[in-house]
Amino acid sequence: QKEVEQNSGPLSVPEGAIASLNCTYSDRGSQSFFWYRQYSGKSPELIMSIYSNGDKEDGRFTAQLNKASQYVSLLIRDSQPSDSATYLCAVNLPGGSNYKLTFGKGTLLTVNP
Amino acid sequence: GAGVSQSPSNKVTEKGKDVELRCDPISGHTALYWYRQSLGQGLEFLIYFQGNSAPDKSGLPSDRFSAERTGGSVSTLTIQRTQQEDSAVYLCASSLAGNSNQPQHFGDGTRLSIL
Repeated sequence: QKEVEQNSGPLSVPEGAIASLNCTYSDRGSQSFFWYRQYSGKSPELIMSIYSNGDKEDGRFTAQLNKASQYVSLLIRDSQPSDSATYLCAVNLPGGSNYKLTFGKGTLLTVNP
Repeated sequence: GAGVSQSPSNKVTEKGKDVELRCDPISGHTALYWYRQSLGQGLEFLIYFQGNSAPDKSGLPSDRFSAERTGGSVSTLTIQRTQQEDSAVYLCASSLAGNSNQPQHFGDGTRLSIL
């Protein structure tokens, strides 16, 4: 069973703090990793993709990937109330079905003013 | 540019009726995906299209579910003889190509409620 695990939260941080969201995955052959943000009642919105070990930064967001530990994380610096949402981690299946993403159930983040 | 467009945004119907959900992907995207998201659950893969072909229908939950894509563009997901357990948000996504390097972009979804 291919799995992507996330803490469901809620994760609560004060405004201006760093929010750290974590994700582990079971398939060692996975190559592509995505973070989506989903506001309540809305569709998932892609915010980051990462394919290589290490860090990838985009504005206030940093994705970190460690394939040896099968771990991917998302850091949000200077958190804002508008960042309050559910964050979904998605991982591709390797091999012939590499188009297929497996999603975690998401971590609910609340940023308190 | 325009994103993925889905219609209707909401659909309420009686048990036993058939429903059709429509998805218009981002222009130029050859890959199209349907997912289902139930309350408190993760996104559940239903079907993948590459062009007009559906090489992966493995996520369709029963033979009441079917989908087609025409002209390499618009896709329709049909649910026949709807049941209450079909109530969910049905999400469509598209990507430039069907491989792991291409991120999937989602539409706003159709919220389906079966009475």
